[in-house]
Amino acid sequence: EAGVAQSPRYKIIEKRQSVAFWCNPISGHATLYWYQQILGQGPKLLIQFQNNGVVDDSQLPKDRFSAERLKGVDSTLKIQPAKLEDSAVYLCASRDPLTGPDTQYFGPGTRLTVL
Amino acid sequence: AQSVTQLGSHVSVSEGALVLLRCNYSSSVPPYLFWYVQYPNQGLQLLLKYTTGATLVKGINGFEAEFKKSETSFHLTKPSAHMSDAAEYFCAVSEQYNTGFQKLVFGTGTRLLVSP
Repeated sequence: EAGVAQSPRYKIIEKRQSVAFWCNPISGHATLYWYQQILGQGPKLLIQFQNNGVVDDSQLPKDRFSAERLKGVDSTLKIQPAKLEDSAVYLCASRDPLTGPDTQYFGPGTRLTVL
Repeated sequence: AQSVTQLGSHVSVSEGALVLLRCNYSSSVPPYLFWYVQYPNQGLQLLLKYTTGATLVKGINGFEAEFKKSETSFHLTKPSAHMSDAAEYFCAVSEQYNTGFQKLVFGTGTRLLVSP
């Protein structure tokens, strides 16, 4: 089966610009996650979707970050405006809730550099 | 809230030597524990997980981990390191929501360096 797809793989922008990332989860996976991984740290959950509904966005900086999963399949994460500290790898993961405790499948990530 | 501590941001071993990566967790409920590996410029890949049952868990690539409740530990081991094991390793604990959903809380990672 195809894995989690993300695009773009790399993005360089200047501060105060906007950027969007796209994720297509594994087919049939109802749960989708966006993580932020800053260099030298573990992934930190930004937002979790169940189908097209938000389960947890407590760690999402809502003044500048937004995410949607309108049809319950693919998802976009947007940053507007970007700050220097947003430089990180943004990982998307998906999970089939019926397959047991939290085996999440990760995409390759999008590396964002904010100059 | 649950948390994970990984001791040692870097671990260096020689090829063929024992690999030991340490992970301690904090959880108020029986935990689900995971080890993920991340190769350069790639996403995370599940190595192994503990949910219930046997406390010694075997994973891919010859890795295994033992859940020790009394020590709140879930250390990752491999008897003989290979050059291809060089990567970043993350320990994670699954945190439960009241709604029944789960999320992963990751440690800060340990970079494994393998020398010839």
